[in-house]
Amino acid sequence: GENVEQHPSTLSVQEGDSAVIKCTYSDSASNYFPWYKQELGKRPQLIIDIRSNVGEKKDQRIAVTLNKTAKHFSLHITETQPEDSAVYFCAPRIYNQGGKLIFGQGTELSVKP
Amino acid sequence: DADVTQTPRNRITKTGKRIMLECSQTKGHDRMYWYRQDPGLGLRLIYYSFDVKDINKGEISDGYSVSRQAQAKFSLSLESAIPNQTALYFCATSDNRGYEQYFGPGTRLTVT
Repeated sequence: GENVEQHPSTLSVQEGDSAVIKCTYSDSASNYFPWYKQELGKRPQLIIDIRSNVGEKKDQRIAVTLNKTAKHFSLHITETQPEDSAVYFCAPRIYNQGGKLIFGQGTELSVKP
Repeated sequence: DADVTQTPRNRITKTGKRIMLECSQTKGHDRMYWYRQDPGLGLRLIYYSFDVKDINKGEISDGYSVSRQAQAKFSLSLESAIPNQTALYFCATSDNRGYEQYFGPGTRLTVT
């Protein structure tokens, strides 16, 4: 089956620093690459996504980059703020399995003021 | 996001009991999903339904069953609950393009 791995599992940064989380996947037919944010005690919510025909997408302080050849995509957060503290999940879509999302194990980001 | 609701929000039950978790949505989406979340394991798919007549097993369906009563309702049942089914359960929906998924608030289930 599809293998999805996220690194690192935990990440601690100082407020104002940048944070990068990487997600690798095994299905070369994957065509949609989202990132979800889950704050403590809350539901996961989509924060940014990218389709397979695009290499990078930005939305204010967050960006996602995709390397289809190497089968990985990354979440970049610049100028981190305490409210960025949360668990982040990648969830590549598996094209040949009815379009299901397969979630990574999550990365717990802590932003220290 | 009040568009996807789950009941109950918290439940404590005993080993061997049958329990049903319910999910309702007002987003008009055809696709609905049930996930289980355990610490360090992310979200794992239990069952998913692309319309009322199309129900599929996910990666961890053993010990669970589902019912899609209508486009807006998707229920998850544990026929005989066991302690390792203690977890946080999320329902989610998406439109037919299958991109963004919208999650309910979750149900925290404890099996003693």
